[in-house]
Amino acid sequence: NAGVTQTPKFRILKIGQSMTLQCTQDMNHNYMYWYRQDPGMGLKLIYYSVGAGITDKGEVPNGYNVSRSTTEDFPLRLELAAPSQTSVYFCASRPQSTEAFFGQGTRLTVV
Amino acid sequence: GDSVTQMEGPVTLSEEAFLTINCTYTATGYPSLFWYVQYPGEGLQLLLKATKADDKGSNKGFEATYRKETTSFHLEKGSVQVSDSAVYFCAPLPSGTYKYIFGTGTRLKVLA
Repeated sequence: NAGVTQTPKFRILKIGQSMTLQCTQDMNHNYMYWYRQDPGMGLKLIYYSVGAGITDKGEVPNGYNVSRSTTEDFPLRLELAAPSQTSVYFCASRPQSTEAFFGQGTRLTVV
Repeated sequence: GDSVTQMEGPVTLSEEAFLTINCTYTATGYPSLFWYVQYPGEGLQLLLKATKADDKGSNKGFEATYRKETTSFHLEKGSVQVSDSAVYFCAPLPSGTYKYIFGTGTRLKVLA
């Protein structure tokens, strides 16, 4: 059972470039989340989804976009990368009323 | 709104010391309560949980009791090891909630 899989694990972007962080889960969970974790800090919620076709903003959505066309996949899009988006990004999923399962993270550096 | 307050870190302890990390929350209704642990370079993973008042969650020597009257879920371990060095997150999940907000976490450093 793979759980939550994130790709890539590491990425360096130049300012103004775009990229998509991939997240897929094989547990048939309805709820999926994207968080960012800045060095030495906690998690900030970027976007979340309660099912295919339904997404909503979290605490820090600016500069990001998401889509949820299937239950399994929840990609995060950065359109115009900025140094402030240097962070570690975590994807998570959960079934209703119980704990979340996290991916291993994507470490992104914008230079 | 719903929120969680954890003690600030870093918490530095010697091996075999007693650990307490305080967590209090505000939430409507009766949330499920979770402690997650994040080891260096990894994602978060569930450490323990409790889903109703007076429940005690336990795992790997860690314990936490769901205290409805004080809205607390303090994490304890009788004797910490160097391998327990990590960041610990208290994360209540209010019933019927879609958003899942985490706090700042508490960094624990255990010295040999």
